[in-house]
Amino acid sequence: SQQGEEDPQALSIQEGENATMNCSYKTSINNLQWYRQNSGRGLVHLILIRSNEREKHSGRLRVTLDTSKKSSSLLITASRAADTASYFCATFSGGSNYKLTFGKGTLLTVNP
Amino acid sequence: KAGVTQTPRYLIKTRGQQVTLSCSPISGHRSVSWYQQTPGQGLQFLFEYFSETQRNKGNFPGRFSGRQFSNSRSEMNVSTLELGDSALYLCASSGGRYNEQFFGPGTRLTVL
Repeated sequence: SQQGEEDPQALSIQEGENATMNCSYKTSINNLQWYRQNSGRGLVHLILIRSNEREKHSGRLRVTLDTSKKSSSLLITASRAADTASYFCATFSGGSNYKLTFGKGTLLTVNP
Repeated sequence: KAGVTQTPRYLIKTRGQQVTLSCSPISGHRSVSWYQQTPGQGLQFLFEYFSETQRNKGNFPGRFSGRQFSNSRSEMNVSTLELGDSALYLCASSGGRYNEQFFGPGTRLTVL
């Protein structure tokens, strides 16, 4: 079953614009991770935010986490055509549960 | 460090056959997880191994099995293939306490 739900399912923007994707989840988590996938290839780990963190930055990426609302957002600033990909959030519950539970993803298209 | 490798990259099988997929994790990583990705169901967790022991299993039939060797390399096997088993099978390895996972390029399995 899917833990996270990304919103929107698809997003199309122009190069240079910012892209914001949202993720909601259902159960308590140890951390939340964002991944990128290009055209049916393997997933690339982008950023991890722990449950006691509220915001994290990595280059052009900014992730926020609101555990009270069970939601996270990923902001990509100054987007480039190369950012075109599917973006997934994944939750890790911790304890003896070692799996990541993925959402269905947001397909981001950045038009040159 | 070399990334996660998966072999083969592509496979075509017919219904009723069985298949074995292989995954070599990042050096030093002892946890290996497997996921199935399909357009309809998205990314679904199959199982996770650590030091040759299966710690978690997803909700898949017994036709799906796996194992891990002493060098952390892992294999998954699908017996009596069905058309619905056509998917991208992704392997990921993890070496940290937060279960940050690093994915291989995947094996694209087509069942005819």
